[in-house]
Amino acid sequence: QSALTQPASMSGSPGQSITISCTGTSSDIGAYNLISWYQQNAGKAPKLMIYEVTKRPSGVSNRFSGSKSGNTASLTISGLQPEDEADYYCCSFAGSGTLVFGGGTKLTVL
Amino acid sequence: QVQLVESGGGVVQPGRSLRLSCTTSAFSLRNYPVHWVRQAQGQGLEWLSFISSNGLEQFYEDSVEGRFIISRDKSGNTVFLQLNRLRPADTAVYYCARQQSAALDVWGQGTTVSVSS
Repeated sequence: QSALTQPASMSGSPGQSITISCTGTSSDIGAYNLISWYQQNAGKAPKLMIYEVTKRPSGVSNRFSGSKSGNTASLTISGLQPEDEADYYCCSFAGSGTLVFGGGTKLTVL
Repeated sequence: QVQLVESGGGVVQPGRSLRLSCTTSAFSLRNYPVHWVRQAQGQGLEWLSFISSNGLEQFYEDSVEGRFIISRDKSGNTVFLQLNRLRPADTAVYYCARQQSAALDVWGQGTTVSVSS
């Protein structure tokens, strides 16, 4: 159960778009369309932002979108806003009830 | 805001045990699979364990299998994580979370476990 690979940090200016990648294997990301993304602010619990690769829970801004190609999933945040500054984690179903997370990406809005 | 509530964390010596609990009054937890996830200080999220809604299936991350045990009470509305043979590397904030569509849509605020002599 190896962690998925994300860039450790990314940055962007307000109004820009950024895409966070998440690379796994044919046993997790490549095998299932069950990818989720979480936003975590310091000292807080994670918040679900995307599930089943592309779906947004009620209340999540449509500036957040997800995609997948092969063994790599991506989270795109368009029209960056200061409140988007947070840590972001990808997660994939990995069979038999198990999940695997990415190492996390610290997003800075300049 | 719908939330789970964890309890049972604390400071414990290496080799000892703790039992964490996860419950909520906002909905019937017994209707949902539940996961435990932990986060060491300054580190990322680490998936630990899963229990099905009926309690019959449990799965564990390799590093805790054989030491941690996930279970539900008879009502199914409280989920436990028994932490045995604790190590300093188990020091972390432990979260429980509800599963829907293979994603974790409702989380608790976390309970802190510190393993130190």
